[in-house]
Amino acid sequence: AQSVAQPEDQVNVAEGNPLTVKCTYSVSGNPYLFWYVQYPNRGLQFLLKYITGDNLVKGSYGFEAEFNKSQTSFHLKKPSALVSDSALYFCAVRDTNYGQNFVFGPGTRLSVLP
Amino acid sequence: GAGVSQSPSNKVTEKGKDVELRCDPISGHTALYWYRQSLGQGLEFLIYFQGNSAPDKSGLPSDRFSAERTGGSVSTLTIQRTQQEDSAVYLCASSLGGLGANTEAFFGQGTRLTVV
Repeated sequence: AQSVAQPEDQVNVAEGNPLTVKCTYSVSGNPYLFWYVQYPNRGLQFLLKYITGDNLVKGSYGFEAEFNKSQTSFHLKKPSALVSDSALYFCAVRDTNYGQNFVFGPGTRLSVLP
Repeated sequence: GAGVSQSPSNKVTEKGKDVELRCDPISGHTALYWYRQSLGQGLEFLIYFQGNSAPDKSGLPSDRFSAERTGGSVSTLTIQRTQQEDSAVYLCASSLGGLGANTEAFFGQGTRLTVV
């Protein structure tokens, strides 16, 4: 069965500094990996995905993520954080052996301090 | 519509009453998902529909929960005899699904259910 871990409940970073939100996964087949962001009282918004090809994928709002097969990780990164990036971030996986529901991590709350 | 639409946006109900939550997915999306999110927490999978296949109901927490999808489009999640622990935000999503599909899911704004 597939699973996703986000080891940090909370990440604090100063505005202008680089940010990283960590994600590791476990699947039986090959993973399709996704990042979503949730602002207060809103649904989830898609940021980016890894399907195949280049391990570094770029997405919305200047975010990027690096797929690392050997470490089974898919960390979300941004070179320079904005206060408006403060939100709840979810990593999700689909297993190509199953391809059905998305399995989400528990979420990481990012706070960017001015 | 352009996005996934859920109604109502908020629902307050008395313990023991039945509630129906509606989801209108993006046109053409064959996959539809229901998730539940407790306050500030992660997403709990409830049920998944893919085309005309039998739904994956493995996430439904009890037999008080059921869902249907009519005509491959609109879905209704029904909770019978609501309990206070059912209070949560219920999120619906849709995608161009199918086995092995690599497309992302698009989420609605959710229905906030409060059982008093």
